[in-house]
Amino acid sequence: QTVVTQEPSLTVSPGGTVTLTCASSTGAVTSGYYPNWFQQKPGQAPRALIYSTNNKHSWTPARFSGSLLGGKAALTLSGVQPEDEAEYYCLLYYGGALVFGGGTKLTVL
Amino acid sequence: EVQLVESGGGLVQPGGSLRLSCAASGFTFSTYWMSWVRQAPGKGLEWVANIKQDGSQKDYVDSLKGRFTISRDNAKNSLYLQMNSLIAGDTAVYYCARGPAYCGGDCYSYFDSWGQGTLVTVSS
Repeated sequence: QTVVTQEPSLTVSPGGTVTLTCASSTGAVTSGYYPNWFQQKPGQAPRALIYSTNNKHSWTPARFSGSLLGGKAALTLSGVQPEDEAEYYCLLYYGGALVFGGGTKLTVL
Repeated sequence: EVQLVESGGGLVQPGGSLRLSCAASGFTFSTYWMSWVRQAPGKGLEWVANIKQDGSQKDYVDSLKGRFTISRDNAKNSLYLQMNSLIAGDTAVYYCARGPAYCGGDCYSYFDSWGQGTLVTVSS
């Protein structure tokens, strides 16, 4: 069974920078896994942020960026805002099957 | 504006069945893959199934194959999820989501739009 692993929780100060990562139990994450990132706030539906590693949607704030880092997919927030406090999920493609990571709860403190 | 509105959730006994619907508007429904994603209470997201534009290809998470069936009616701009032999572990909010969508080159965008979800509770 394929497992996608994210940090369970991270804390960052307002204005700071934080990187969330997304690892695959099958090995290094590459662009062929089409990493996507989503943000979810309590009581709301998820919202798409990043697609295919590093592409932003039209509504994605500039402070969010995606990349591949050390064999993992990564989401970096630069200049974190209080409203960025949320759960973040990555999604990887496995040839017809899709697997979400367990999520990272980001606290802005 | 893209809108996805799910319906059909509710309380069902173990072993029962339920059919979820998703009404789409604000885009050309027949040109998009569509998907279902679920989220158990207090838990993470789980992809359930997706269906090609013309319904000719359907993919499911392995753990649900045989119990859940995804379908669509492009004339009605609607997506469906038939759920049979329900168990307590199927209790979740079920989201309808648009995508995957091919974005050129080596690029796919997944779930760029989501509905608000419909809650399915499996309990006696």
